[in-house]
Amino acid sequence: KQEVTQIPAALSVPEGENLVLNCSFTDSAIYNLQWFRQDPGKGLTSLLLIQSSQREQTSGRLNASLDKSSGRSTLYIAASQPGDSATYLCAVLMDSSYKLIFGSGTRLLVRP
Amino acid sequence: GAGVSQTPSNKVTEKGKYVELRCDPISGHTALYWYRQSLGQGPEFLIYFQGTGAADDSGLPNDRFFAVRPEGSVSTLKIQRTERGDSAVYLCASSPDRVDTGELFFGEGSRLTVL
Repeated sequence: KQEVTQIPAALSVPEGENLVLNCSFTDSAIYNLQWFRQDPGKGLTSLLLIQSSQREQTSGRLNASLDKSSGRSTLYIAASQPGDSATYLCAVLMDSSYKLIFGSGTRLLVRP
Repeated sequence: GAGVSQTPSNKVTEKGKYVELRCDPISGHTALYWYRQSLGQGPEFLIYFQGTGAADDSGLPNDRFFAVRPEGSVSTLKIQRTERGDSAVYLCASSPDRVDTGELFFGEGSRLTVL
């Protein structure tokens, strides 16, 4: 059974810092991996989607990497801003499936 | 519509009551998903519709939960004899086709509180 773990559960950093959020999964037979952002009381917004054949994806100050064989993904946020404060969730889609399996998220606070 | 719309945004009910939660997906999206998110956890899959049919309802926790999508657009999640453990945020998502072809678009959720 696939399990997705996110470390740390919570993170507080001063504005301007570069930071890394970690996601690990137990079954490497994934089709793709997505990173989502969730603001309090809101739904999820997709940030980056990495197909299993890809190593990384970039969007603005965000960069996500994928090491499928070791079951790991990282989300790198450059020059963090208070507006980046949110919960970040990673989710994997297994081969021959349509169910996203989510981690519990990392709650990020960027202090001004 | 412009995005996935869910109503009500908040629902407080008493134990044992019946509840309906509605999801209006993005126009033209054939795939629709329901997820449940408990406090401090990631969303958990409940049910997946492709068109009008429930392609997979294996995530529904028990027979008190039921969902329909009669015309392949709006979906309703129905919960009978609610229990306190049903308290959670119920998220709906849609995509143009299967989720592996692209992004999944989530609504803002319906927060259910069972007293």
